[in-house]
Amino acid sequence: DIQMTQSPSTLSASVGDRVTITCRASQTISSWLAWYQQKPGKAPKLLIYKASSLESGVPARFSGSGSGTEFTLTISSLQPDDFATYYCQQYNSYSLTFGPGTKVDIK
Amino acid sequence: QVQLQESGPGLVKPSETLSLTCTVSGGSVSSGNYYWSWIRQPPGKGLEWIAFMHYSGSTNYNPSLKSRVTISVDTSKNQFSLKLSSVTAADTAVYYCARAAYSQSYFDYWGQGTLVTVSS
Repeated sequence: DIQMTQSPSTLSASVGDRVTITCRASQTISSWLAWYQQKPGKAPKLLIYKASSLESGVPARFSGSGSGTEFTLTISSLQPDDFATYYCQQYNSYSLTFGPGTKVDIK
Repeated sequence: QVQLQESGPGLVKPSETLSLTCTVSGGSVSSGNYYWSWIRQPPGKGLEWIAFMHYSGSTNYNPSLKSRVTISVDTSKNQFSLKLSSVTAADTAVYYCARAAYSQSYFDYWGQGTLVTVSS
């Protein structure tokens, strides 16, 4: 299985901050990476696919970049609705795997 | 707008079989190249992909769960199902059904999730 790691595990930030979350794969996954946002008690919501493609309806303050083994999710100006946990997911192999998550909370 | 809804028992005894169904509305399980999937999340923990299936019968399973998992699609009811056998407390989780845009893909639509507790 391809192992996914994320850093940091928790991030404290304020409204208006620029936030960056890193996801690393244990082997190259080209650009086959997605990002999800999950709020407590809710299902994950797709934000980004193919490393940098924004899902329809997702605000443009979210962006993704990277390829190979290192990827980033950036929120350009954190909004109150963005406090949540963020997961990356690789789909390079048939055994799909998620990162452990990054919780973004209020500073 | 595609919607998915999980249903099934919220409590299962150890060693028994967990059975869940996902009902799809706003779209057909037999249209396009979509793969219908199950994902779970133990309380307070991360996400684990379980399996996915195409209506044609093509399937793929998480190797760590493969020996205990069966996934099926019922096109007449526009549903797909999960069976997980020989459950233990480690199988306690919120179970989500989801649609994958294609084989070996990301998940673009999710159900709301259903908590299944394994306990005697």
